[in-house]
Amino acid sequence: EDQVTQSPEALRLQEGESSSLNCSYTVSGLRGLFWYRQDPGKGPEFLFTLYSAGEEKEKERLKATLTKKESFLHITAPKPEDSATYLCAVFNDYKLSFGAGTTVTVRA
Amino acid sequence: ETGVTQSPTHLIKTRGQQVTLRCSSQSGHNTVSWYQQALGQGPQFIFQYYREEENGRGNFPPRFSGLQFPNYSSELNVNALELDDSALYLCASSPSGWGEAFFGQGTRLTVV
Repeated sequence: EDQVTQSPEALRLQEGESSSLNCSYTVSGLRGLFWYRQDPGKGPEFLFTLYSAGEEKEKERLKATLTKKESFLHITAPKPEDSATYLCAVFNDYKLSFGAGTTVTVRA
Repeated sequence: ETGVTQSPTHLIKTRGQQVTLRCSSQSGHNTVSWYQQALGQGPQFIFQYYREEENGRGNFPPRFSGLQFPNYSSELNVNALELDDSALYLCASSPSGWGEAFFGQGTRLTVV
């Protein structure tokens, strides 16, 4: 069965303090790794899809990378509006299997 | 282009009752999936519908059932509600059976 583990569970950052979130996965046949952002009480918002090891994607202050066993979401010079829960998911067959998420809090 | 919309946004039901949640897919998307998200957890896959047929199912009992309509909107039905069914229910649509899935804002179901 597909397994996705995210670390740390929570991350408190000072505005401007860059950091990385980790997503390690075990899947029989990876067809894509997805990153989502989720604000409290809202649905996940799509950020990135990565398909093969070595692939990188960027959006504003976020950069996602992928290896054969894990993915990283780098947050560069975060702002308070980057505070959210970041979810990682692997796509296999027809479904997404999610990790429990990393809750990021950025203080001004 | 409209996004994924779900209704209602909040719902309170009594244990043993039945509930129907609704989802309108994003324009042009023929695949819809439903997920259950308990507090502090990641979403868990319930099932997927592709062109009105169930295309895959997660580890949920048969009292969780669904429908997809010709316009690709969808319903999630849950019978004999239990307290543990309290969660955020998310609908996601995608333009094909795989790839990027776009989520609605969710329906918060509370079973008392």
